[in-house]
Amino acid sequence: QQQVKQSPQSLIVQKGGISIINCAYENTAFDYFPWYQQFPGKGPALLIAIRPDVSEKKEGRFTISFNKSAKQFSLHIMDSQPGDSATYFCAASGSQGNLIFGKGTKLSVKP
Amino acid sequence: GAVVSQHPSRVICKSGTSVKIECRSLDFQATTMFWYRQFPKKSLMLMATSNEGSKATYEQGVEKDKFLINHASLTLSTLTVTSAHPEDSSFYICSAGDRRDYGYTFGSGTRLTVV
Repeated sequence: QQQVKQSPQSLIVQKGGISIINCAYENTAFDYFPWYQQFPGKGPALLIAIRPDVSEKKEGRFTISFNKSAKQFSLHIMDSQPGDSATYFCAASGSQGNLIFGKGTKLSVKP
Repeated sequence: GAVVSQHPSRVICKSGTSVKIECRSLDFQATTMFWYRQFPKKSLMLMATSNEGSKATYEQGVEKDKFLINHASLTLSTLTVTSAHPEDSSFYICSAGDRRDYGYTFGSGTRLTVV
């Protein structure tokens, strides 16, 4: 019940295209859903996060869509750029604050 | 924004020795810090949660006597890998934040290699 399932494992997108990464969770007590971007050898950096009281949040080219009834959330990267090539992790957290991470998606944006 | 400084970024040590990794919150008070471990091309696995002034809570399967965590102040937590073995080689990452707003920031990580 603590799992966060993330797909796809890897994704190749052409420059200018839309990258979509999906996550699903089981624990209805989760109330904070962040997305992290990680480059090799670096710690994860928070991209964008959402709470279950809204269905969508947009920050620049990054959008989170949240479906509370389906217990799913997704990250959309619009106008994907080669610099977006990284590993992306979704996560979920409850009142304890500890993050449960998905397995990650390696995104490659081809020029 | 919030900054978490983690040192060292890389360390190589001999089997049987101990290594200390520091995690500092530079511009905010961190009531809670988390320590994660990440294997190559894998996700982050929570090792333990530490709250300032109290003992750390370890996740199942994490040896508390091997991975000593100290959170003596609101700006510093340390992870000490004791009697390190090659299988302890990994990427260790801390995160720090305030429990009230879930605003957790990650350090840059420490690559530990035990030879």
